[in-house]
Amino acid sequence: AQSVTQLGSHVSVSEGALVLLRCNYSSSVPPYLFWYVQYPNQGLQLLLKYTSAATLVKGINGFEAEFKKSETSFHLTKPSAHMSDAAEYFCAVSGNTGFQKLVFGTGTRLLVSP
Amino acid sequence: ETGVTQSPTHLIKTRGQQVTLRCSSQSGHNTVSWYQQALGQGPQFIFQYYREEENGRGNFPPRFSGLQFPNYSSELNVNALELDDSALYLCASREGTGGLEGKTQYFGPGTRLLVL
Repeated sequence: AQSVTQLGSHVSVSEGALVLLRCNYSSSVPPYLFWYVQYPNQGLQLLLKYTSAATLVKGINGFEAEFKKSETSFHLTKPSAHMSDAAEYFCAVSGNTGFQKLVFGTGTRLLVSP
Repeated sequence: ETGVTQSPTHLIKTRGQQVTLRCSSQSGHNTVSWYQQALGQGPQFIFQYYREEENGRGNFPPRFSGLQFPNYSSELNVNALELDDSALYLCASREGTGGLEGKTQYFGPGTRLLVL
């Protein structure tokens, strides 16, 4: 079984500041890990995914995440926040074998102030 | 723009009624999954269809059912609606039935269902 915990339902940063959104996972098998972004009245858009290749994964819009097995973490970062980054972010996990389904966390709302 | 559309965008039903939600995927996307996203929560997997057959299901009762059609459209049907069924329902589609490490899964904008 898989589960995800996202620490912090809301994160506030200033424009130009570092963005750090936290995700810890639990999985009984080696995981695949994903970050999605959801803008108001839109569906989920894939930012990046870890599928057991490189542990540092680069995604779209300047985001990246690092898979740390020892810490069971997959935190999302961006060096400099932009106003357009304000949205809801979801971390998700799946197993890497058998039937794979996404198990999502509860989400973190990123607020960016000028 | 993901190429995945859903209809209607909003819907209001009363408890006990039945509802059908629709999803139209990109050509070639023969795997479709449905998710329920309650307010303030992450999406929860309902079920997945591949080539018109259900091939995976989450912890949802049988009153949640689906159909997938050869023209890359699909439906989610919910019978005997309950108040807790109020949520945003998302469909997602991708090519093939391989693992999630392969082809990207594209989500639609969702249908917001309110059950009174």
